[in-house]
Amino acid sequence: GENVEQHPSTLSVQEGDSAVIKCTYSDSASNYFPWYKQELGKRPQLIIDIRSNVGEKKDQRIAVTLNKTAKHFSLHITETQPEDSAVYFCAASEGDNFNKFYFGSGTKLNVKP
Amino acid sequence: DSGVTQTPKHLITATGQRVTLRCSPRSGDLSVYWYQQSLDQGLQFLIQYYNGEERAKGNILERFSAQQFPDLHSELNLSSLELGDSALYFCASSVLSGGTEAFFGQGTRLTVV
Repeated sequence: GENVEQHPSTLSVQEGDSAVIKCTYSDSASNYFPWYKQELGKRPQLIIDIRSNVGEKKDQRIAVTLNKTAKHFSLHITETQPEDSAVYFCAASEGDNFNKFYFGSGTKLNVKP
Repeated sequence: DSGVTQTPKHLITATGQRVTLRCSPRSGDLSVYWYQQSLDQGLQFLIQYYNGEERAKGNILERFSAQQFPDLHSELNLSSLELGDSALYFCASSVLSGGTEAFFGQGTRLTVV
């Protein structure tokens, strides 16, 4: 099955700086890569996703890049704000049938004011 | 509110007991996923149902079982509970069998004492 690795496990940045979280996956057939944000005690919520036919996608301060050859994808948050503090999970769907979402282990982002 | 409803929100039970967690997906969503999140851990995929049929299985213990009913709600049954089963159990739903955004419920916090 798919194996998704996520780094770093914790990330501390100063408000206004950029944050980058990286994930690698093992199944070359994976073709859907969502990112979820989970605030303390709350449900994970989708913040951005990318499909394998696209190399980069942006939504305001958030961007995701995908390198299919290297099998890695990254989340970029620019101009970080204290409310960006949360745990971020990457995920990859297994195979052509999108049957499962395999999640990374999560990155705890702390944005210091 | 994601539209995915999980009940109960909290559950405290003794070792060896059996519990049932319930999930009502968003209106129109055919696919239901179950995840386990232990303290400070990532999201572990348990099982997926699509339109009443089991579609994919993750690292689900034999003591655990699930089903999806004709009205598309799903139940996760946990039996012979152990202390290590204490976790937050999330249900998520999506329109298709993956490849689209999965919406998470607020989770059921299970505490085994």
